[in-house]
Order: sequence, then C-alpha cells, then structure tokens
Amino acid sequence: DAGVIQSPRHEVTEMGQEVTLRCKPISGHDYLFWYRQTMMRGLELLIYFNNNVPIDDSGMPEDRFSAKMPNASFSTLKIQPSEPRDSAVYFCASSPTSGGHPHEQYFGPGTRLTVT
Amino acid sequence: DAKTTQPTSMDCAEGRAANLPCNHSTISGNEYVYWYRQIHSQGPQYIIHGLKNNETNEMASLIITEDRKSSTLILPHATLRDTAVYYCIVRVAGVNDMRFGAGTRLTVKP
Repeated sequence: DAGVIQSPRHEVTEMGQEVTLRCKPISGHDYLFWYRQTMMRGLELLIYFNNNVPIDDSGMPEDRFSAKMPNASFSTLKIQPSEPRDSAVYFCASSPTSGGHPHEQYFGPGTRLTVT
Repeated sequence: DAKTTQPTSMDCAEGRAANLPCNHSTISGNEYVYWYRQIHSQGPQYIIHGLKNNETNEMASLIITEDRKSSTLILPHATLRDTAVYYCIVRVAGVNDMRFGAGTRLTVKP
C-alpha cells in the first residue's frame, strides 16, 4: 500500500499565481480531507469529501480556495490568486468507512507551499 | 466536540514509559478519545482510540478513567523515534472532521 500520495512536495510561487495541490487517497477509502498547518494556527481542517462529494467546507479560508474531487482516486486544492499568508504545509488525508464507527485518518506527507 | 487540555511539553528518558495525560472533562457519552502524533516534517499518524475501556495495540496503551473525564496515552518503552507532538482528540463516532489542538511535545532523551 503506497499510502496517501501528495504532489508536489514543495511549491514556491509568486504572489498572484495560481497554485494547485494534488492528492491521491488510499484505494478503497471513501473519505478525503484537506488540512493546512502553520506555526500560528496549528493544524486546521479545510474541507472534507465523502464519496467524492464535499461535505463540509466551513474551514476554507476564503473564495480564493477551492477543492474538487472528480473521482475516487484524485483530489485537488486550488488557490487563485495566491498570497504570502497562504504559505503553509497542506496535508491530505483519507479514511475508510466502518459502519458508522470511528476510524483513523491516514495522512500524506504534505505539500510545503511558499508564496513570495 | 469536547475540548481537550494537554501539557505543552514533556520529557522522557529513552527506554522508560512515557505517560501523556489528556483532560476532556466535558466529554459526551458518544464521544471517542483519539490519539495521533506528528513527527517533525511528517503528516500526523494515528496511534489509538477508545470509548470507555482501556485499549492496547502495538504502538501504545490508552487508559481512560471511569468517569471518562481524562485519559493517558502510554508508550511502554519510549525510543528516540517517539519524539513528536502528541494530539489528544475527542469526537463523536461517525463524525469525520478531526479537530487538532496544540498537543504535547514529547522529547525522548538518551
């Protein structure tokens, strides 16, 4: 099992540019989560999907952020236009369903985004 | 989700047991206790979870008090590789948003 795959691992871009982060969840997992981590705010949930449908996007900071999940094996988080304050590590995680019982989330290695 | 309180940091000697406490005095009856950890520059890693009974797996043991208002994560024989930030989270079963707090920074020393 390759685990959750994220790309790129590092991204450096200039303010105003569009940034697209990618995630491949673990096969068979039907939940996908996007998190952001900064020193100031810690680890924050941005949005999560169930069976490719967005369930809760209340953590998305503003309209510049958007996320899609066109199929069960791929998701993107897009920032347009990017700003320096978006600099952070972005994590993707996936999780299986287990009959309504709690289940663990499996995190990817993260994408370190730097906006200059 | 119930709020959790954890010490900011702790030290532990290598080879000794590391006992990480968590207070969740407002926990509801349908809320589980989860523990995750994050080693530097890596994504968080699931450790263990429980409802009211003590739990043990290959990584750790989880001791939950009878009133469920607090719990302790036990790493029985800490190694240098266990140095990480440990997060205690409580959430309702079936609710899938995980809310991480500041956690406890555990440093295992030789």
